[in-house]
Amino acid sequence: QVQLVQSGSELKKPGASVKVSCKASGYTFTSYAMNWVRQAPGQGLEWMGWINTNTGNPTYAQGFTGRFVFSLDTSVSTAYLQISSLKAEDTAVYYCARNWVVAAKNWFDPWGQGTLVTVSS
Amino acid sequence: EIVLTQSPATLSLSPGERATLSCRASQSVSSYLAWYQQKPGQAPRLLIYDASNRATGIPARFSGSGSGTDFTLTISSLEPEDFAVYYCQQRSNWPPVTFGQGTRLEIK
Repeated sequence: QVQLVQSGSELKKPGASVKVSCKASGYTFTSYAMNWVRQAPGQGLEWMGWINTNTGNPTYAQGFTGRFVFSLDTSVSTAYLQISSLKAEDTAVYYCARNWVVAAKNWFDPWGQGTLVTVSS
Repeated sequence: EIVLTQSPATLSLSPGERATLSCRASQSVSSYLAWYQQKPGQAPRLLIYDASNRATGIPARFSGSGSGTDFTLTISSLEPEDFAVYYCQQRSNWPPVTFGQGTRLEIK
């Protein structure tokens, strides 16, 4: 079945970097784009952007430029989110979500299980 | 940016009752709206796409309606496992993709 499995929780100090992975299985990885979504503690969902898994071209939402980088390793069907110069306010659960296309419309399905990134000194 | 406003923020109902959740868009999104369910400690799950289509494996008690700016998610008879947070999402005019702030459905 179609599945996205993310890497485990991370505890980082302010100023450090973190790389979250999202491994896809059950479908052709390069046929569907990948989205990234952030959920701060007790808060709602915030779309961070997406990456074209065919071309590797990323698109970042406002507020997620500069310190956030989306990348791919298509040989292992994996998408990555790297965050540099971490701040306390980056503490959140980060989700990857496949761009599922139906009749030329795009939806998020399925989602990875989420990766908790905690930034604390 | 299209803003989605969900109401109510919290809905308290009993199992067996009917739940009606609302999502209003700041401008027309046609039918380009989805609903997601999120249970505590879990990832969101796609319930409804294109305003009224149930995703694979979603029970028939879940239904979506609406177009333009006003949308409704209805759960016809609540089961214990339906108590969760529900988010609407638009993808009509993007980027950015936007989500509503969520409706918490709690047991009364």
